[in-house]
Amino acid sequence: GAVVSQHPSWVICKSGTSVKIECRSLDFQATTMFWYRQFPKQSLMLMATSNEGSKATYEQGVEKDKFLINHASLTLSTLTVTSAHPEDSSFYICSEKKASGQETQYFGPGTRLLVL
Amino acid sequence: AQSVAQPEDQVNVAEGNPLTVKCTYSVSGNPYLFWYVQYPNRGLQFLLKYITGDNLVKGSYGFEAEFNKSQTSFHLKKPSALVSDSALYFCAAKAAGNKLTFGGGTRVLVKP
Repeated sequence: GAVVSQHPSWVICKSGTSVKIECRSLDFQATTMFWYRQFPKQSLMLMATSNEGSKATYEQGVEKDKFLINHASLTLSTLTVTSAHPEDSSFYICSEKKASGQETQYFGPGTRLLVL
Repeated sequence: AQSVAQPEDQVNVAEGNPLTVKCTYSVSGNPYLFWYVQYPNRGLQFLLKYITGDNLVKGSYGFEAEFNKSQTSFHLKKPSALVSDSALYFCAAKAAGNKLTFGGGTRVLVKP
């Protein structure tokens, strides 16, 4: 398997503030990282895909200026929720692939965001 | 377009009994198939995958899944369920180079 960590595991913030979530691959280099959003009792919704050193590719309906993704290195990706609002409250999960051509994705433990 | 269906929202089974979680898929070409398990407030844990080879795939924690091309199914099975297997299970599928598509999830409840 592979170990993916996320930080923080949960965060509560006031409406209008920005929140940064980190995703790290601890025992491998991730060429591709994915960010998902999961609403209660629902499946995962892909938000964006990023390759190291390149701009992220956002899914239709996901605002790139609101959900800033930075894939600075092969072991670190960050998702920043800018000017968060209560409707942004959700469970955010990152996922990584080990290398180009590898098909298995490994998931982080998730970050629960609550915007008051 | 890819799609994954998990027809059961919830599966209830007594501890020690066999567990089956159903999954069917629609993928162009040869499919890559995965099962993940999610415990409350946690991310997804990888259980097993089918890429090629034997249709019966063995994974973590005693789980296995059988790839059936004619029925486009990839059902997850465990011969003897444990209470600790109670969780949310996701089937996922993709074609090579495509994004991963998830099913809606099936909640498994194993009763003592």
